[in-house]
Amino acid sequence: ETGVTQTPRHLVMGMTNKKSLKCEQHLGHNAMYWYKQSAKKPLELMFVYNFKEQTENNSVPSRFSPECPNSSHLFLHLHTLQPEDSALYLCASSGKDSLYNEQFFGPGTRLTVL
Amino acid sequence: DAKTTQPTSMDCAEGRAANLPCNHSTISGNEYVYWYRQIHSQGPQYIIHGLKNNETNEMASLIITEDRKSSTLILPHATLRDTAVYYCIVSGTGTASKLTFGTGTRLQVTL
Repeated sequence: ETGVTQTPRHLVMGMTNKKSLKCEQHLGHNAMYWYKQSAKKPLELMFVYNFKEQTENNSVPSRFSPECPNSSHLFLHLHTLQPEDSALYLCASSGKDSLYNEQFFGPGTRLTVL
Repeated sequence: DAKTTQPTSMDCAEGRAANLPCNHSTISGNEYVYWYRQIHSQGPQYIIHGLKNNETNEMASLIITEDRKSSTLILPHATLRDTAVYYCIVSGTGTASKLTFGTGTRLQVTL
């Protein structure tokens, strides 16, 4: 248990569906991140939020829309996804007491796009 | 961020020390070396980090060469639960610094 929770843990959706992934951290951190991990590929950073402001968008397609209403919650809204978007989506947080890049990861959401 | 080079895979017998090497020859003076691991289908887990001095915590030890161009993560008594992919990452400080994950080293601990 890292203090970062993600829901749902598994999601199957069609290409025309709209769904949202939720991440919540109970660590008092200031920064939150979305990563994508496709099969047999390294983790790819998607978005970074620091104090609710987006500081990084790693050329992510607009069918992925992040939202950070406060420092404890992070959402990833999904619409008109493609089968190649099937992957493990990981949320992480960092900050507060540590000056270093110690990120705490959630368990991930396994997404399958049909 | 500086790039790192790690072996693709390694084996280690349970109870023995696992020594995982990492090369980071282009590391900058203000960049730290971080180690994470990812057990199958779970999120990555922070292990340890260092700047230039050797570091030790309850999970592992980190040995950084004097020129800082390479480092070794040591798991002193590997167990089957240490089977995972281990990532060596070089990054700066700051609460929203980026971590760039490579392909890491797949460590298999065997009986």
